[in-house]
Amino acid sequence: ETGVTQSPTHLIKTRGQQVTLRCSSQSGHNTVSWYQQALGQGPQFIFQYYREEENGRGNFPPRFSGLQFPNYSSELNVNALELDDSALYLCASSFGQGLGETQYFGPGTRLLVL
Amino acid sequence: DQQVKQNSPSLSVQEGRISILNCDYTNSMFDYFLWYKKYPAEGPTFLISISSIKDKNEDGRFTVFLNKSAKHLSLHIVPSQPGDSAVYFCAASVGTSYGKLTFGQGTILTVHP
Repeated sequence: ETGVTQSPTHLIKTRGQQVTLRCSSQSGHNTVSWYQQALGQGPQFIFQYYREEENGRGNFPPRFSGLQFPNYSSELNVNALELDDSALYLCASSFGQGLGETQYFGPGTRLLVL
Repeated sequence: DQQVKQNSPSLSVQEGRISILNCDYTNSMFDYFLWYKKYPAEGPTFLISISSIKDKNEDGRFTVFLNKSAKHLSLHIVPSQPGDSAVYFCAASVGTSYGKLTFGQGTILTVHP
């Protein structure tokens, strides 16, 4: 059974560019949640996908968008990057809409926007 | 608007002693609380949780206490071990919003041998 994987591990972009981050959920999981963790802060909920549909969104602008594929892997897209988007992006997978303890987090993608 | 707060950025404890990590919340709709542990270069790992219908939950060396009237929860680790050194996050969720967690800022725990 493989755990949650994320790619790439690190990424450097410039302001105004677009970025796509990827997440492969744990085998058997059909829900993926994305979080942004700024330096020195706790993770902030961006959105959740359940069976390929967005199932809740945090306080993030529309330039943060996502997809979930039939195999339940997921992408996070960020358009028009801003300096404040520099952060660790975490995805977490679970079965169903998941109680907190059934969420398994990936190691994250660290994004630096210059 | 920080709905979940961990006011101690760091805590240092001697091996074998008790570690107490604290967390306060402001949203009275929160009814499920969790603690996660995070090592560098890894994602957060679930540690222990508590529902608002309880005031205490134990799992081995870890106990979480919930004081709903004070909107406060704490994590006790007894006895503390050097391997417990990590960043600890408390998190909360509302009813059917399970999986959409609101996290605190984290507390860095260092356990000295």
